[in-house]
Amino acid sequence: EVQLVESGGGLVQPGGSLRLSCSASGFTFSSHAIHWVRQAPGKGLEYVSGISSNGGTTHYADSVKGRFTISRDNSKNTLYVQMNSLRLEDTAVYYCVKDWLNQGAGIFYFESWGQGTLVTVSS
Amino acid sequence: IQMTQSPSSLSASVGDRVTITCRASQGMNTWVAWYQQKPDKAPKSLIYDASKLESGVPSRFSGSASGADFTLTITSLQPEDFATYYCQQYETYPPTFGGGTKVQI
Repeated sequence: EVQLVESGGGLVQPGGSLRLSCSASGFTFSSHAIHWVRQAPGKGLEYVSGISSNGGTTHYADSVKGRFTISRDNSKNTLYVQMNSLRLEDTAVYYCVKDWLNQGAGIFYFESWGQGTLVTVSS
Repeated sequence: IQMTQSPSSLSASVGDRVTITCRASQGMNTWVAWYQQKPDKAPKSLIYDASKLESGVPSRFSGSASGADFTLTITSLQPEDFATYYCQQYETYPPTFGGGTKVQI
């Protein structure tokens, strides 16, 4: 069974930093692109960032480019996102999501989702 | 590609047939998925490639495509189907979601 477990969320002040982690199991982690998708309170879904299976290719939404850095450690089956210069509008539940395709940068079909971790940016 | 989803909400009864539509802002192939989200839960994938059912998803869910319009249909709505549904295109980067449809009793 695919499991994606996010951690690292919490309350942070505007301009602050936070690092989220996603621990994966139940599939060959090193074969799949993995992504972050977020959902602001009471709002819809927004793509944030993704990384290819070998970590060589990364994608960022314009709203986070230059502030967020995605990375992965295939030896630990773990995905990360370093979030800097956080803004009020970054407040959301952040979901770790497994890409359907088992190679390369994926196809951006989000087959499996973690339960999410809440990031609150507030003074 | 923008995905315009309608309606934003609907009221239905158990046993009803429900149809939700997403219209793409430009012509595209069938790289569309549908997700179901229940309150305080993560989204769950239902359909991919516009009409292919994910494993374990009941057959009362179906998807179809016609030009730029993509449709999710639920035949004979069940109590556990009351949720919010999202479409998503993955034909072009960035992947984008529709605004969601809340299916209420």
